Amino acid sequence: DQQVKQNSPSLSVQEGRISILNCDYTNSMFDYFLWYKKYPAEGPTFLISISSIKDKNEDGRFTVFLNKSAKHLSLHIVPSQPGDSAVYFCAASARQGAQKLVFGQGTRLTINP
Amino acid sequence: EAQVTQNPRYLITVTGKKLTVTCSQNMNHEYMSWYRQDPGLGLRQIYYSMNVEVTDKGDVPEGYKVSRKEKRNFPLILESPSPNQTSLYFCASSRGGTVYNEQFFGPGTRLTVL
Repeated sequence: DQQVKQNSPSLSVQEGRISILNCDYTNSMFDYFLWYKKYPAEGPTFLISISSIKDKNEDGRFTVFLNKSAKHLSLHIVPSQPGDSAVYFCAASARQGAQKLVFGQGTRLTINP
Repeated sequence: EAQVTQNPRYLITVTGKKLTVTCSQNMNHEYMSWYRQDPGLGLRQIYYSMNVEVTDKGDVPEGYKVSRKEKRNFPLILESPSPNQTSLYFCASSRGGTVYNEQFFGPGTRLTVL
């Protein structure tokens, strides 16, 4: 049972435009969400996170939005750059299991020049 | 340089031959964890450790063992590997006892079990 789902395996966006990556979750106990970015032959690197007490968190070109009622979060990248081409993983954790992290399947983002 | 290292990076082995994948971090982190990445499934947590001598199961612990005798090291042991353990494995560490803090990942170990 996939508790964190990224339903788009891939996404292609033109350089300079907005990239929107989506993530849905089913476990209502999740209260902390993270996005990780992964280049080929490397380990994932942390990008941005959001607590359930917020609905938006921004860090430079990256913004994460959380819609708790819909159990949905999204990552916006504006403007998209070629170096953003990577696989993006959404992940979630629950306060009572804060040592465990559940990942989505990942979305491969390609930024076209 | 702050980093998480894993060895080996690539390994091909046969069913039933015990193996160990080592993981070491130089950031004095309390929390360490092992994940496996499989196509269509993302990363799944195998085991984690909140500190020395404290380990617990993640979502897919079957067929794996871990130990945490020193803070910096967290080896993953496959006592009797099987083909369904063919995967890409990542070790990660973070300060504090939760995943709320940024986890630093190693470069990965690609394991093939024939």
